[in-house]
Amino acid sequence: AQSVTQLDSQVPVFEEAPVELRCNYSSSVSVYLFWYVQYPNQGLQLLLKYLSGSTLVESINGFEAEFNKSQTSFHLRKPSVHISDTAEYFCAVIRTGGSYIPTFGRGTSLIVHP
Amino acid sequence: KAGVTQTPRYLIKTRGQQVTLSCSPISGHRSVSWYQQTPGQGLQFLFEYFSETQRNKGNFPGRFSGRQFSNSRSEMNVSTLELGDSALYLCASTDLDGPNSPLHFGNGTRLTVT
Repeated sequence: AQSVTQLDSQVPVFEEAPVELRCNYSSSVSVYLFWYVQYPNQGLQLLLKYLSGSTLVESINGFEAEFNKSQTSFHLRKPSVHISDTAEYFCAVIRTGGSYIPTFGRGTSLIVHP
Repeated sequence: KAGVTQTPRYLIKTRGQQVTLSCSPISGHRSVSWYQQTPGQGLQFLFEYFSETQRNKGNFPGRFSGRQFSNSRSEMNVSTLELGDSALYLCASTDLDGPNSPLHFGNGTRLTVT
C-alpha cells in the first residue's frame, strides 16, 4: 500500500514571498503524483500532476512541483504567493497498475498574510 | 457543463439517527467516489461506484453504505450515527479510468452529529 506524508500542517507566509509545501510518499511500486487545492467552503480542484516524462510540472497559476524519485518527494513551490493562494493543499498518489483511487495526504494549510 | 452537485450542503443530526447524502456527477461521468474529510485525518476514501456497482471500498464500518443509480447519481447512507461521523463528506466524479482523468469534486456536505 502507498502512503503520503505532508510534513507541515500549516505554512504562514507573507504576500509575494516564496513558498514550498512538502510532500513525501511511500510505495513499493511506481506512482503517479498529484497536488489538489481546496479553497474555503469548496471541494478539491486538481492543481498539477506528474504521470511520466519531465520531472518538473507546472500549473497555470504559477505553482510548480518536482518529482524526485530518489527522495520519494513531490514538493510544491511558488516563487511569489498572492493572498488568493490561501487554501488547503493536498498531495496525492496513485500506484501504477492499481485501482486509480488516490491516497491523499492530510493537507497543508497555506496562509498568506498581506 | 454543470459541476458535481452535492445536497444538502449542511446537515445536523442526532447520535443514533441515520442520514442520506446525495451526489449528482458531471454529465457523462460514470465513476463516483466518496471521501470523508476531517481536520485530523484529512481525506479518507469511503467507496467508489462505477456503472451502478461498487468497485472499490475503503476501511469504514458497515454503517457506511452507498449506491449508484442508472443515471450515475449516487447516494451514501450512514446509519446509527456517532459523534465521530461529524465531517465534510465529499463526492467526486471522473469520466475515464486511469490517472490522466482527474477527480472533479463537489463542494461537500457538512454533517454535524450532536
